[in-house]
Amino acid sequence: QSVLTQPPSVSGAPGQRVTISCTGSTSNIGAGYDVHWYQQVPGTAPKLLIYGNTNRPSGVPDRFSGSKSGSSASLGISGLQAEDEADYFCQSYDTSLSNWVFGGGTKLTVL
Amino acid sequence: QVQLQESGPGLVKPSETLSLTCSVSSYSISTGYYWGWIRQPPGKGLEWIGSIYYSGTTHYNPSLRSRVTISVDTSRNQFSLNLRSVTAADTAVYSCARVLCTSNSCCAEYWGQGTLVTVSS
Repeated sequence: QSVLTQPPSVSGAPGQRVTISCTGSTSNIGAGYDVHWYQQVPGTAPKLLIYGNTNRPSGVPDRFSGSKSGSSASLGISGLQAEDEADYFCQSYDTSLSNWVFGGGTKLTVL
Repeated sequence: QVQLQESGPGLVKPSETLSLTCSVSSYSISTGYYWGWIRQPPGKGLEWIGSIYYSGTTHYNPSLRSRVTISVDTSRNQFSLNLRSVTAADTAVYSCARVLCTSNSCCAEYWGQGTLVTVSS
């Protein structure tokens, strides 16, 4: 059971927009800690997609966006492409656990 | 671009110590940043193990603190992970990373490719 809750799967057709939610609590996201997002293509290392809730590292397309409100955060992916098919993880800090924690991951399928 | 590469045994016996090294290229560890270890058991989610600053300051996952040591060797531009008294539950892909910290949280900015460590007799 992950501290941060993500839907197991989402799907969308090419060109569409999808959002992936990450729900926490008052000991992590709700306490004001930043949320980060990773993309992991099966068999490869995760790639940082969004850091500090809304920031994209150099090289990440602006089709990817992040937002945060209250105890939840969301990753938005617009203009879906076949190459976006991957697992997506959110991450934040938890004061109760005194550690950085991850969501369980969401598998994105591009139909 | 920063590159990281894990190395170490792929098989460790129960009760023994898991030892991995992360070699960093295209960036000098002593310049700054935290450097960390993250693991992912097969078919499961990610777990932050701990991190170290180039000066030696460490942060460990409280659930692993009693068994974990992370150290840094700036002369070799490497940092290492030792996990003692391992069990089958420690079987995972272990990845090293350069850690990027925002105002109140940290994330793994650059990752190694990861190495599978299996605990089995």
